[in-house]
Amino acid sequence: GQQLNQSPQSMFIQEGEDVSMNCTSSSIFNTWLWYKQEPGEGPVLLIALYKAGELTSNGRLTAQFGITRKDSFLNISASIPSDVGIYFCAGLQSHDKIIFGKGTRLHILP
Amino acid sequence: SAVISQKPSRDICQRGTSLTIQCQVDSQVTMMFWYRQQPGQSLTLIATANQGSEATYESGFVIDKFPISRPNLTFSTLTVSNMSPEDSSIYLCSVDVRQETQYFGPGTRLLVL
Repeated sequence: GQQLNQSPQSMFIQEGEDVSMNCTSSSIFNTWLWYKQEPGEGPVLLIALYKAGELTSNGRLTAQFGITRKDSFLNISASIPSDVGIYFCAGLQSHDKIIFGKGTRLHILP
Repeated sequence: SAVISQKPSRDICQRGTSLTIQCQVDSQVTMMFWYRQQPGQSLTLIATANQGSEATYESGFVIDKFPISRPNLTFSTLTVSNMSPEDSSIYLCSVDVRQETQYFGPGTRLLVL
């Protein structure tokens, strides 16, 4: 079936550092979504991308929809302790089904 | 966006029993979805629930095990039937408020002993 390859699986960074993670696929997607999930919570939508080449920011977060429509990246600038969590990419080919990546677990060292 | 609530938030159940999870949305939505997230894993779609029609199940999930109701545009239930320890997971509902964007509830944490 369709798969999203999300990397890295986990990251250990110092507070204040920038973070970069990405998702790739062999399939084309019409929409890319980035979610964050904290312990005990459901995923929270961070950024939605609807157009190839689109670059969208949400505060310290920036995400891009790859020009080939097969990839996307998420950057977090100047990380802070509350950025800790699991970040999931998700791709849509039709309006009713999302394919999720396996997640990137972000750890921030004091 | 949408405000989504789920009940119960967590439960511990004995094997062989069934649990019904409720999902309530603060606005009318056409499509609702049920996901399973096993410990340390990503999200897997169980089924899509549209009001007024039978739920559509993904490969590996069947109606007898996960019956779903969708009585109106703001509510849905998922039942986990005849539970076994392998059913221990987080069960999440989501809604498609704006086309091509899904918002998630807080999840129901199920432990089956």
